[in-house]
Amino acid sequence: DAGITQSPRHKVTETGTPVTLRCHQTENHRYMYWYRQDPGHGLRLIHYSYGVKDTDKGEVSDGYSVSRSKTEDFLLTLESATSSQTSVYFCAISESIRGEQFFGPGTRLTVL
Amino acid sequence: KQEVTQIPAALSVPEGENLVLNCSFTDSAIYNLQWFRQDPGKGLTSLLLIQSSQREQTSGRLNASLDKSSGRSTLYIAASQPGDSATYLCADAMEYGNKLVFGAGTILRVKS
Repeated sequence: DAGITQSPRHKVTETGTPVTLRCHQTENHRYMYWYRQDPGHGLRLIHYSYGVKDTDKGEVSDGYSVSRSKTEDFLLTLESATSSQTSVYFCAISESIRGEQFFGPGTRLTVL
Repeated sequence: KQEVTQIPAALSVPEGENLVLNCSFTDSAIYNLQWFRQDPGKGLTSLLLIQSSQREQTSGRLNASLDKSSGRSTLYIAASQPGDSATYLCADAMEYGNKLVFGAGTILRVKS
């Protein structure tokens, strides 16, 4: 399995609080992605990164920001969490922009 | 906008049966198509990736085919086992895009 870890694995927070999720990879892959998975919507791309300090928006980026200061780490921040951001968040990596993607174990986030 | 559909939504079969999962897409300008497996509460595991120039890929008891002209891919599982029970997802990368478009998945249950 690709070396991808996510932290925390579970988090419960309150509306209006900031939350940061971390994705760490040991594969030295250039591309990293954040998805959310929700019943009835499937997996949707939030943001992705194509290199250190290079990021771009996905289809559901409102309310989220990302940062990538090192190849191995990709952070997802909810500046002010809302109940609609309750979801399971997955990080993925790939060597190339349309290459095979490998997923992390996910973070279950509950916003009360 | 690409739409990916998976049929059936759920499937229950007895152990040992050969089965086919279907994935259809509306825009044939795909770069590749990837099949994943997801166990409850877990991340996605990549099973097979088919490039647009390929017709099929095989890994053990799994065989995935791709027909771009008809907008279809199938995942064939031979001699199914209870351990194959999971949700199977297909996703395609477009020639002109930078993200995967996912289907909603097929929930497979193999009964012993």
